Amino acid sequence: SQKIEQNSEALNIQEGKTATLTCNYTNYSPAYLQWYRQDPGRGPVFLLLIRENEKEKRKERLKVTFDTTLKQSLFHITASQPADSATYLCALVPISGNTGKLIFGQGTTLQVKP
Amino acid sequence: EAQVTQNPRYLITVTGKKLTVTCSQNMNHEYMSWYRQDPGLGLRQIYYSMNVEVTDKGDVPEGYKVSRKEKRNFPLILESPSPNQTSLYFCASSPSGRGVTDEQFFGPGTRLTVL
Repeated sequence: SQKIEQNSEALNIQEGKTATLTCNYTNYSPAYLQWYRQDPGRGPVFLLLIRENEKEKRKERLKVTFDTTLKQSLFHITASQPADSATYLCALVPISGNTGKLIFGQGTTLQVKP
Repeated sequence: EAQVTQNPRYLITVTGKKLTVTCSQNMNHEYMSWYRQDPGLGLRQIYYSMNVEVTDKGDVPEGYKVSRKEKRNFPLILESPSPNQTSLYFCASSPSGRGVTDEQFFGPGTRLTVL
């Protein structure tokens, strides 16, 4: 069956460290993969998009990698701050021929302690 | 301000009473989509629209209808709501007419309770 898996357990790290979140998928060949941040009670906020032919994307303190062989994306936040505490969602466009569909993982909650 | 707006933000209704949740964006985006979010199930796509008059089913379309008569509006219609449609609903839009190949902007959410 098709699955997207993110760590259901919260990730707790110390301020200043690098947070690494994982998104694994099964039985998809995604054309695009996106990462969002969601704060409690609010809508997701887009962070980064990476295409199937890209290995890595960066934006300020954020970095996303995409390994289609391992079927995995990693999301890194360097020099993490308490304000980075939130739930992070990965989402993939499952089929290159239909880019209207988007499938979300259940998210990983990040807690950055001062 | 560029944004996606949803109305109402909160709604409590009863089984079988037809309702519409409106969604509007002021960014001239081609693509719009509806999602529902439930604990333990995450965000699931209900319907999406690549352009005016073009709509298609997401993963959980049963019990919902949509229409896209104008570019800016994408209402979600529940003809006969049932308790299993109690959820947090999000509307989103994206600039590209090729779907979610670009940044997607989400609305603030509508919390719906069906008794």
